[in-house]
Amino acid sequence: GENVEQHPSTLSVQEGDSAVIKCTYSDSASNYFPWYKQELGKRPQLIIDIRSNVGEKKDQRIAVTLNKTAKHFSLHITETQPEDSAVYFCAASTGNQFYFGTGTSLTVIP
Amino acid sequence: GAVVSQHPSWVICKSGTSVKIECRSLDFQATTMFWYRQFPKQSLMLMATSNEGSKATYEQGVEKDKFLINHASLTLSTLTVTSAHPEDSSFYICSPPAGKKGYTFGSGTRLTVV
Repeated sequence: GENVEQHPSTLSVQEGDSAVIKCTYSDSASNYFPWYKQELGKRPQLIIDIRSNVGEKKDQRIAVTLNKTAKHFSLHITETQPEDSAVYFCAASTGNQFYFGTGTSLTVIP
Repeated sequence: GAVVSQHPSWVICKSGTSVKIECRSLDFQATTMFWYRQFPKQSLMLMATSNEGSKATYEQGVEKDKFLINHASLTLSTLTVTSAHPEDSSFYICSPPAGKKGYTFGSGTRLTVV
């Protein structure tokens, strides 16, 4: 089955700096790669996603890149703000179940 | 995306009791539903898959007799935690396969067993 690895597990950045979280996957059949933000006690919220036919996608301060050959994808958050502090999960799917990364706890220091 | 209703959103139960969690697809029919759980400070892990008209399939390490899954209809899948214990306290969330309306999750159920 699919194996998704996520790094780093914790990340602290100064407000205004950029944050990058990286994930790798193993199943070349995976074709959908979402990123979720989870605040304490709440369900994961989709923040951005990318499909395998696209190499990069951007939504305001958030961007995701995908390298199908290397089987890795990354989340980039620019101009970080304190409200970006949360746990972020990457995931991979072939269209059925999701396989999640282990999560990255991001802390943005004011 | 598709709309999935999950309830209850949170429940506290005593050790030894059973708790049923419902996941309803509101605007589509789902022959399959994936159930995930998330222990505190951990990632979401697939625990089982419910299938309409057949038995659920369970991931390795998940006790099928403890986590009863029933796909009652094309719009309803239920997860019952039987004889719950404190170690079953977790966040449970359902999700159908991607369809024409995209990917979605239920709102999640936070179970606390005391």
